[in-house]
Amino acid sequence: DVKVTQSSRYLVKRTGEKVFLECVQDMDHENMFWYRQDPGLGLRLIYFSYDVKMKEKGDIPEGYSVSREKKERFSLILESASTNQTSMYLCASSSNILGSSSYEQYFGPGTRLTVT
Amino acid sequence: QKEVEQDPGPLSVPEGAIVSLNCTYSNSAFQYFMWYRQYSRKGPELLMYTYSSGNKEDGRFTAQVDKSSKYISLFIRDSQPSDSATYLCAGNTNAGKSTFGDGTTLTVKP
Repeated sequence: DVKVTQSSRYLVKRTGEKVFLECVQDMDHENMFWYRQDPGLGLRLIYFSYDVKMKEKGDIPEGYSVSREKKERFSLILESASTNQTSMYLCASSSNILGSSSYEQYFGPGTRLTVT
Repeated sequence: QKEVEQDPGPLSVPEGAIVSLNCTYSNSAFQYFMWYRQYSRKGPELLMYTYSSGNKEDGRFTAQVDKSSKYISLFIRDSQPSDSATYLCAGNTNAGKSTFGDGTTLTVKP
């Protein structure tokens, strides 16, 4: 059973703080993704990674960076948190092996981040 | 214009009703079409997927894709209160990245 875990369910940070959100998956998946989910705006892709040490910008990368030092772990970093980054953050993973179901993404439970 | 547009909802139906959830898409390269279900305070989970055009049935759920009109639908028969959730449609080119609709929140009242 695929499991994607996120370091915190709820987080409250102050404006200007550096924030780390961590995601770990246990299925040896190559692909990992970070999204934010806001009412009326749906799921928006921030960054994704197809392999260790590789990263690609999604639709809304501004104000965020990522790190993937190990295959199972993908971190999202808010260098200087701002109130407009208050949101639900979702991590996901998927397989990238030819013939496998790479369309299926497995999501973590989400981290609700509030920046005050 | 978004690549995947979803009927916004919210939708409220009585138990036992047939529910129709709909999306349109613009990316002709999409090969896989997915429906995810997201319960409150949880991450989305894959409910069904369809490859290319056609129908796929799984119990009370039917997913339909019409590539000629770029239309994606999910039908729920005999809806139950446990079906109350947000439903997200998505398209994928089989290159790893999926594009999601904004979601439709469904409430099934007993």
